[in-house]
Amino acid sequence: AQSVAQPEDQVNVAEGNPLTVKCTYSVSGNPYLFWYVQYPNRGLQFLLKYITGDNLVKGSYGFEAEFNKSQTSFHLKKPSALVSDSALYFCAVRDFNNNDMRFGAGTRLTVKP
Amino acid sequence: EAGVTQFPSHSVIEKGQTVTLRCDPISGHDNLYWYRRVMGKEIKFLLHFVKESKQDESGMPNNRFLAERTGGTYSTLKVQPAELEDSGVYFCASSLAGGLTDTQYFGPGTRLTVL
Repeated sequence: AQSVAQPEDQVNVAEGNPLTVKCTYSVSGNPYLFWYVQYPNRGLQFLLKYITGDNLVKGSYGFEAEFNKSQTSFHLKKPSALVSDSALYFCAVRDFNNNDMRFGAGTRLTVKP
Repeated sequence: EAGVTQFPSHSVIEKGQTVTLRCDPISGHDNLYWYRRVMGKEIKFLLHFVKESKQDESGMPNNRFLAERTGGTYSTLKVQPAELEDSGVYFCASSLAGGLTDTQYFGPGTRLTVL
């Protein structure tokens, strides 16, 4: 069965610095990978997804993610963090063998001024 | 365009009571999903509707949970009787198509607390 791991519960970065939120996955087929963000008192907002093609995927709010098949990773990145990026980030995966979307436990990102 | 809406935003009930959660998907989205996040853990899939039909309910924890989508528009998720372990945040999502690559759009969630 497919699964997702977000190894860090919490990530702290200073405003203006680059940020990375890590995600690794396990699937039996080709993975379809998603990143969502949850701001306080809001629902999950879609950031980006990888389906096929270019390993570097660009998404909303200046975020991007790099698909690495050999390392089974899909880390979320942003070159310069903003305080407003502070939120809870979820990585998710689907594959051909399973209809449901599997989520990681989430990573809380805090960007300090 | 209105997003996915959920009602109520919070619900506090006692063990043994009944609670009904409602989800209104984005207009025109045939696919509707329910998920649950318990105690800060991962978000888990509960079930998937295509219009009014249950496509996949493999994630429903037990028969105390009943989901309906009459008419293929809004959906309800009833928990009867509620137990302490049912506490968590219940998310609803919808998508235009039901394919594996289709983006699901989530509502704000309903936070359920069972005392």
